[in-house]
Amino acid sequence: SQTIHQWPATLVQPVGSPLSLECTVEGTSNPNLYWYRQAAGRGLQLLFYSVGIGQISSEVPQNLSASRPQDRQFILSSKKLLLSDSGFYLCAWSVWNNEQFFGPGTRLTVL
Amino acid sequence: GQQVMQIPQYQHVQEGEDFTTYCNSSTTLSNIQWYKQRPGGHPVFLIQLVKSGEVKKQKRLTFQFGEAKKNSSLHITATQTTDVGTYFCAGYQGAQKLVFGQGTRLTINP
Repeated sequence: SQTIHQWPATLVQPVGSPLSLECTVEGTSNPNLYWYRQAAGRGLQLLFYSVGIGQISSEVPQNLSASRPQDRQFILSSKKLLLSDSGFYLCAWSVWNNEQFFGPGTRLTVL
Repeated sequence: GQQVMQIPQYQHVQEGEDFTTYCNSSTTLSNIQWYKQRPGGHPVFLIQLVKSGEVKKQKRLTFQFGEAKKNSSLHITATQTTDVGTYFCAGYQGAQKLVFGQGTRLTINP
């Protein structure tokens, strides 16, 4: 069966520090991969999606970037965090335009 | 780009009352998906509707897809405390990008 992992579960970082969040998927090949951010009590904001290794589509211009070095690995990064980067970061995968399966998420607090 | 609007934003009901959330898209959708997010959790897929006018039921939940494939609804009959959470509708823009509505947060008074 398919499984999606995200880590860490929670993270507290100072403003200006770098960020690296990792997501890995097991049990499927060539999935579409997604990064979302959710502010407290709000909806899901699509940040990046990828349909293959090295292919990244950015939805929101900001100080975040994403990479897909392997088929089932998706990384979200920042060189310098802002206060506004705080939120709940969710990774998800899908096959074509079918349902998306979400990871457990990372709660990021930037102080 | 495609926009998906969802109303109401919040709904508070007494346990046993019914609940409905509505979803409207600015463009015709190839399909509509519904997700539930429990407090503190991550969104979990509930169902996908594909056909115009389609109606699907999951126990006390009834999902409808409009004839024009631009709107959808989720109705819960006789809510229970386990129904608490935020319900999202979503539709694909193109083949890869899923656009989510803002969600309807359901709270229930036991």
